[in-house]
Amino acid sequence: DTEVTQTPKHLVMGMTNKKSLKCEQHMGHRAMYWYKQKAKKPPELMFVYSYEKLSINESVPSRFSPECPNSSLLNLHLHALQPEDSALYLCASSDVDSSYNSPLHFGNGTRLTVT
Amino acid sequence: QKEVEQNSGPLSVPEGAIASLNCTYSDRGSQSFFWYRQYSGKSPELIMFIYSNGDKEDGRFTAQLNKASQYVSLLIRDSQPSDSATYLCAFARNTGGFKTIFGAGTRLFVKA
Repeated sequence: DTEVTQTPKHLVMGMTNKKSLKCEQHMGHRAMYWYKQKAKKPPELMFVYSYEKLSINESVPSRFSPECPNSSLLNLHLHALQPEDSALYLCASSDVDSSYNSPLHFGNGTRLTVT
Repeated sequence: QKEVEQNSGPLSVPEGAIASLNCTYSDRGSQSFFWYRQYSGKSPELIMFIYSNGDKEDGRFTAQLNKASQYVSLLIRDSQPSDSATYLCAFARNTGGFKTIFGAGTRLFVKA
């Protein structure tokens, strides 16, 4: 069983809807990530939070809005999405180490379909 | 030039053989290197990580890193049908945050 939990597992939303993806980790990690993965493509980094502060935004459109309420929780707020935003959204967490980058621990993902 | 280059495959090997997966990267500032396995419809799971030049072994898996050649590989000994998956090479560096970049992945098929 994964120690990074994502909800919901599946989400279908219209282009005018507002929805949120949720992620929770109980591994004591201080870095959390959102990745987007299209079919037969590798995961693409969207956002990185380190110690609950946004440290990387990979030029993601503003219709995606991340939030990190505390060290265990990560949300991704969705608004006015496009059909091309349909993908698997992966949350991950990792330790924070100044010397090396610790491995990512992924949740099971949310399969998003925008209609 | 892509940051991480992998042969997309598919790579097909018979059961019991050694599967060899290769990856090159362009950023000499890369500090950490990872191999993830991803089954169809599932999320990636960590197989190996390596930080220093040389070999690192864990069970049937061996990761090899050559920073001078900017090359990392994964050997899977005694391949099993359950090893059939996409293998993602990844590297990471500190850029004010912790950025892990993935290669396109190599699809491996192990034939029974």
